[in-house]
Amino acid sequence: GQNIDQPTEMTATEGAIVQINCTYQTSGFNGLFWYQQHAGEAPTFLSYNVLDGLEEKGRFSSFLSRSKGYSYLLLKELQMKDSASYLCAPDNYGQNFVFGPGTRLSVLP
Amino acid sequence: EPEVTQTPSHQVTQMGQEVILRCVPISNHLYFYWYRQILGQKVEFLVSFYNNEISEKSEIFDDQFSVERPDGSNFTLKIRSTKLEDSAMYFCASSEGGTSGTNTDTQYFGPGTRLTVL
Repeated sequence: GQNIDQPTEMTATEGAIVQINCTYQTSGFNGLFWYQQHAGEAPTFLSYNVLDGLEEKGRFSSFLSRSKGYSYLLLKELQMKDSASYLCAPDNYGQNFVFGPGTRLSVLP
Repeated sequence: EPEVTQTPSHQVTQMGQEVILRCVPISNHLYFYWYRQILGQKVEFLVSFYNNEISEKSEIFDDQFSVERPDGSNFTLKIRSTKLEDSAMYFCASSEGGTSGTNTDTQYFGPGTRLTVL
C-alpha cells in the first residue's frame, strides 16, 4: 500500500519562496512526480526525481531523499498564477498514480 | 505539442443511465489511465490499461465500470447504471511507457469530463 502526506494548505506572498513537503511510504518506488493542478483543470506535469538531490527547472525545483521517503517542491519568485494545488505522486513502477492529498497554495499580492 | 483530448467536456445524465466517456491518448503512448476527482477531493486512480487489457485497477473500479480501446485511437470509460456519487471530474491520462524509472512514466492528462448525475 501507499501512504502519502502533504500539508493541506499554504499561503505565501508574491515574490516570495515557498517549500511544499511530501512524505511517502510505498511498497515499490522508482521516483517521484510533482504535478500542478489549477482549480477545475487537469493536473499538469512539473517534475520527476529519480536520484537523490535537488533538480532545478526555472523557478521550480524539486528535491528527493529516497532513504527518508521525503520530497519537496521549491517555488521561487512566486507569481499569482502559481496559486494552485500541488500534488506529489510516488512512481510505483509506472503503474497507477496514487496522488497525495495535494497542497493548496494561495499566493497573495 | 501532442495532447490528450476528452469528450464530452460535460455530461449530464439521470441516475441509473449508462454513460461513455471518451478519450484520445497521445498517439505514440502505450499506457492509458482513468482517474476521477470528486469536487474538493483528491485525484483518485481508477484503472490502467496496456496492450489491450487492464493492467491495474483500484477498489473504486468495480463491476459498474469498464474500459475499452475500440479502435487505434480512442480509449473509453463506460459507467453502467450511474449513481449520484459518480458525479465527478473524470480524467484520462496516457504515458509513453518503456524503461521503468524514467520520464517515460510521466502521465499526461486530458482536460477532463465533468459528469453530473441527477
